[in-house]
Amino acid sequence: LAKTTQPISMDSYEGQEVNITCSHNNIATNDYITWYQQFPSQGPRFIIQGYKTKVTNEVASLFIPADRKSSTLSLPRVSLSDTAVYYCLALSGGYNKLIFGAGTRLAVHP
Amino acid sequence: EPEVTQTPSHQVTQMGQEVILRCVPISNHLYFYWYRQILGQKVEFLVSFYNNEISEKSEIFDDQFSVERPDGSNFTLKIRSTKLEDSAMYFCASRTYATDTQYFGPGTRLTVL
Repeated sequence: LAKTTQPISMDSYEGQEVNITCSHNNIATNDYITWYQQFPSQGPRFIIQGYKTKVTNEVASLFIPADRKSSTLSLPRVSLSDTAVYYCLALSGGYNKLIFGAGTRLAVHP
Repeated sequence: EPEVTQTPSHQVTQMGQEVILRCVPISNHLYFYWYRQILGQKVEFLVSFYNNEISEKSEIFDDQFSVERPDGSNFTLKIRSTKLEDSAMYFCASRTYATDTQYFGPGTRLTVL
């Protein structure tokens, strides 16, 4: 599995757009970039997954440049309820286990 | 929307006792997992289970741990003789064959005294 690197923490304010960047320099051809969100005392929750270019769903957007060595999770207009830890993972199709790093702890302030 | 459920939400036990943590995965899912998270630390993979057998396990998953799918709906994690360091949140997850997206349950907080 490709190693991913992301900031330890970020702060934002309600209504702002938040971009969390993840580096994955040794990503393999078969790897997909996947983001999970975890609230305190809850299990991780899948947010979004992509291979390259841009993917958007009702929660977030994911931007992956052509070289795929990094990716950016974009959360539009965050609210206090978006305060959580966000994990970036590089997954090969069919790979069994998820390897979580420390993630990015996002704090949204009023 | 279907969810993974786990019981109990909180389990307190004495060191050396056996505990069984229960999970009901999403009904059409075929792959099952257990993870744990010690307070303030990363989520760690314990074991994966498919077709009624363990497909992969981590170093943490030693002889004190076992998993079972006793019927068509439940998936259990047993710790035979708990240690203080087993205190953690234990998460069950499941997925279908078609995607690698894992759906996690709300967790069981295990406290070993």
